[in-house]
Amino acid sequence: RKEVEQDPGPFNVPEGATVAFNCTYSNSASQSFFWYRQDCRKEPKLLMSVYSSGNEDGRFTAQLNRASQYISLLIRDSKLSDSATYLCVVNRDNYGQNFVFGPGTRLSVLP
Amino acid sequence: EAQVTQNPRYLITVTGKKLTVTCSQNMNHEYMSWYRQDPGLGLRQIYYSMNVEVTDKGDVPEGYKVSRKEKRNFPLILESPSPNQTSLYFCASSLTPLRGRYSPLHFGNGTRLTVT
Repeated sequence: RKEVEQDPGPFNVPEGATVAFNCTYSNSASQSFFWYRQDCRKEPKLLMSVYSSGNEDGRFTAQLNRASQYISLLIRDSKLSDSATYLCVVNRDNYGQNFVFGPGTRLSVLP
Repeated sequence: EAQVTQNPRYLITVTGKKLTVTCSQNMNHEYMSWYRQDPGLGLRQIYYSMNVEVTDKGDVPEGYKVSRKEKRNFPLILESPSPNQTSLYFCASSLTPLRGRYSPLHFGNGTRLTVT
């Protein structure tokens, strides 16, 4: 089993749609979780951290289920500018900043 | 402006010719790391550094070297590049977390390396 797995995608959705991405991780000791977005051939950029209680930032909502080792990202009212690849990132252990990246899910928002 | 700067952005070289990709950050971050990104494989960590003179191997360290003589700089060295090192490389940095919390990574804008 891979350390971090994501929906394979791509997701093609119309503007205004709600889209959800799923991510599972294998290491039950993982403590920190993030969603990054990456535009084509550019550097990944932090979208949001994922907290135990779930958190929201505008149109974006992240949820964490430790028991199922599952993270989700919900995008409401999607915009053309949301088109990107979304990366799930999990820390590997309790030491340092050793992160593992999921393969990413590509989103295309269509006019 | 707070940033991570990589150079060069693009590099084409030949097998066996030593090269260095530089990385510098101006945020006083303790932690720095190098990743390579390949289609279908995602981002994989090459080396990381927790602080000056402290470096460790990531998942794919073979064929690479790093050094951390100063806090702001973390160069990636390919002593004898081979075609399988053709990839998109990213440098990243972050603060060292306190009390078990973790700090997100800040990435440079990437170096596209082609080895022929």
